[in-house]
Amino acid sequence: DVVMTQSPLSLPVTLGQPASFPCRSSQSLVNSDGDTYLHWFQQRPGQSPRRLLYKVSNRDSGVPDRFSGSGSGTDFTLKISRVEAEDVGVYYCMQGTHWPPTFGGGTKLEIQ
Amino acid sequence: EVQLVESGGGSVQPGGSLRLSCAASGFIFRSYWMYWVRQARGKGLVWVSRINNDGSGTSYADSVKGRFTISRDNAKNTLYLQMNSLRGEDTAVYYCGRGTPGDLDVWGQGTTVTVSS
Repeated sequence: DVVMTQSPLSLPVTLGQPASFPCRSSQSLVNSDGDTYLHWFQQRPGQSPRRLLYKVSNRDSGVPDRFSGSGSGTDFTLKISRVEAEDVGVYYCMQGTHWPPTFGGGTKLEIQ
Repeated sequence: EVQLVESGGGSVQPGGSLRLSCAASGFIFRSYWMYWVRQARGKGLVWVSRINNDGSGTSYADSVKGRFTISRDNAKNTLYLQMNSLRGEDTAVYYCGRGTPGDLDVWGQGTTVTVSS
């Protein structure tokens, strides 16, 4: 199975400051169709996960434009340009290029 | 509004069985793959099973293969997960999800399964 690695486990950030969430895969996530099936999910405390970005950098409907995604091959990053209080939670990357789909262990965003 | 609502969770003794359901609304259910993903308390997300649009193709994580069965009823817009021979390590919140091959875009609110004597 493809291993998705996220670190750090916890990311303390000051309100209004940027935050960056790295994600690394053990294999290239470029699919035979040319797409890269790397997605980002946010899980707020006590809630179910919500997809934020799909195929590396495409924002889901209703996701603020302060969230952006980048990367290619095996290295990817989710960025929040200016952290707001509602952004607190755990951020997971997930790959869907290789079967079975696998998730990173998550990075917890905390306000410091 | 696209919605997935899980039910059927509960407490069961090791070796017991449970059947989870996921009622879908707000979209054309038969057009999507469906997934089950679980999350133990304080832990990360783990894919459990998937089923294709018409139910002809299924896959399972090694940890549940031979014990869990995924199915769907497109006439009832409902996804199921039959869980047999339950173990303590199956204790988790179980989420159903809507998706396509390689993607999962909508999640339910989850249902909790506790396996304990």
